[in-house]
Amino acid sequence: GQNIDQPTEMTATEGAIVQINCTYQTSGFNGLFWYQQHAGEAPTFLSYNVLDGLEEKGRFSSFLSRSKGYSYLLLKELQMKDSASYLCAVLDSNYQLIWGAGTKLIIKP
Amino acid sequence: GAGVSQSPRYKVTKRGQDVALRCDPISGHVSLYWYRQALGQGPEFLTYFNYEAQQDKSGLPNDRFSAERPEGSISTLTIQRTEQRDSAMYRCASSSGLAGDSTDTQYFGPGTRLTVL
Repeated sequence: GQNIDQPTEMTATEGAIVQINCTYQTSGFNGLFWYQQHAGEAPTFLSYNVLDGLEEKGRFSSFLSRSKGYSYLLLKELQMKDSASYLCAVLDSNYQLIWGAGTKLIIKP
Repeated sequence: GAGVSQSPRYKVTKRGQDVALRCDPISGHVSLYWYRQALGQGPEFLTYFNYEAQQDKSGLPNDRFSAERPEGSISTLTIQRTEQRDSAMYRCASSSGLAGDSTDTQYFGPGTRLTVL
């Protein structure tokens, strides 16, 4: 079966750095997406990785290791507005998105 | 339009009634997806379209659920004889690339919160 695992909840402090991990087992791989979802709102696109390595985009970076079936999302200089759920999703061999349950990130002042 | 829109935003209905949920994708986007999302979970795939063709409906829970996109733009998800277990957030997403053949990003609408009493 196909599986995406990420922690259910994480807590971090404003101004700090947090790393949200995602491991996956899917039938094929055509890339991995990270989405941010604030409570009651639609998921919004953050990043896409298809090659190994780190992609940096401002305060957010995403890393991929295809051999390990592993990705992480790194958030720096945390702000209160970063409190949200972060969803990891993998595009499988049929180009269908397989979604994780999301990691709820709580930022404390 | 500027983004994906969905209507109604909230729908309360009685068990046994039919409901129709509408999605208006980003202008020019060829693929359109329907998802269902439970609280605290990721989106659950229901079906998708390329233009007006429904390419994959393997995620539809049963034959009470159907979807159409007759002119390759607006789509309607219909649930017949609703049951309480159908209560959920129904989300639509669209993408510029062909579904099933593209890595293009999916952009989500605000969703329709369906409550079946």
